[in-house]
Amino acid sequence: GAGVSQSPSNKVTEKGKDVELRCDPISGHTALYWYRQSLGQGLEFLIYFQGNSAPDKSGLPSDRFSAERTGGSVSTLTIQRTQQEDSAVYLCASSRGRAGGYEQYFGPGTRLTVT
Amino acid sequence: EDQVTQSPEALRLQEGESSSLNCSYTVSGLRGLFWYRQDPGKGPEFLFTLYSAGEEKEKERLKATLTKKESFLHITAPKPEDSATYLCAVRNQAGTALIFGKGTTLSVSS
Repeated sequence: GAGVSQSPSNKVTEKGKDVELRCDPISGHTALYWYRQSLGQGLEFLIYFQGNSAPDKSGLPSDRFSAERTGGSVSTLTIQRTQQEDSAVYLCASSRGRAGGYEQYFGPGTRLTVT
Repeated sequence: EDQVTQSPEALRLQEGESSSLNCSYTVSGLRGLFWYRQDPGKGPEFLFTLYSAGEEKEKERLKATLTKKESFLHITAPKPEDSATYLCAVRNQAGTALIFGKGTTLSVSS
């Protein structure tokens, strides 16, 4: 079956611009997660959505970062006024969640480069 | 604070030379320990979940084991295609995220 998809695969932007990253989770998965992976760093949790519950935003590094999930499916991560330290690979994952199964399945990621 | 430490950072093996990767964790009440494989330029690929001490899971040349403080990923007679970064993670207390170690990069040469 189809896995998690993300777009774009690569994004180069100038410092100060806003960017939007998209994630399509596996059909039927109720939980969706965003992580960031920087060179030399581990995967860093950003935000979690579960069904219609309030998201866990505790991992967002600043108020320039926000995310939404529409219709319980597609999610968009928005970074406003990008900075060079935002350069990283942004990974999206989904899981069945409380419905049964906490294994997270990851997409291929979006590589963001801020120049 | 929940924490995951993996060792070694890098491991070079000859084809057929078995070895083990270590994942030490500190968490208040384990709610699952996860192993992933990550190839360059790709997202992590799920391998195993372990929930209780003594549990073991196997897949091809890989076997994951769990104790109360650490997990091991045993690789038996590895092949070059097993070369990748192996990541270990635990669920956080809230159950909303995985906390990852920095990974072990395995290189297997023929």
